[in-house]
Amino acid sequence: GESVGLHLPTLSVQEGDNSIINCAYSNSASDYFIWYKQESGKGPQFIIDIRSNMDKRQGQRVTVLLNKTVKHLSLQIAATQPGDSAVYFCAESRNEKLTFGTGTRLTIIP
Amino acid sequence: SAVISQKPSRDICQRGTSLTIQCQVDSQVTMMFWYRQQPGQSLTLIATANQGSEATYESGFVIDKFPISRPNLTFSTLTVSNMSPEDSSIYLCSVGVAGQGTQYFGPGTRLTVL
Repeated sequence: GESVGLHLPTLSVQEGDNSIINCAYSNSASDYFIWYKQESGKGPQFIIDIRSNMDKRQGQRVTVLLNKTVKHLSLQIAATQPGDSAVYFCAESRNEKLTFGTGTRLTIIP
Repeated sequence: SAVISQKPSRDICQRGTSLTIQCQVDSQVTMMFWYRQQPGQSLTLIATANQGSEATYESGFVIDKFPISRPNLTFSTLTVSNMSPEDSSIYLCSVGVAGQGTQYFGPGTRLTVL
């Protein structure tokens, strides 16, 4: 069946270092991917997206990489800050519906 | 992105009762969705709320348990019927623009069923 999953359920990173969160997807027909950040007690917040005709997209301190050959998606956060502590979800969008990965909890160590 | 609010933000309910959750958007949107997020887990799509017609439910979710209304382009409700402790979850609404794929989420409603 279709699935979108993450390699690491938890990640601890020193403040100021870069973070990399990974995601694997199984449906090669997927053409759009989104990363969300969810802080405790809040709804998921859109971070960045990428379409399948791209392999890299950059935002403010964040970069998303897409490798369609191995069906892999990653989120890179530069110079992590305490406010980056949250659960991060990748999501696959197809036919206007989202399928979410299992999530990675990112903890920033002061 | 649209500003999305949900009411109530949280509730504690007794087994066998029903709760209606409201989702309000500050602009007209074509697509609204309802998700469930069980404790410590990811989000699962319950249904797509279609304006002017019946909601479209995902596998494992039925209208009798989760009736949905969508009376206009800025508002939707989800009812959790005949609740049991297994229904304790966060319920989230989201909005999307047709053809874009992106969805924006409300703050969620945290439901505890005793």
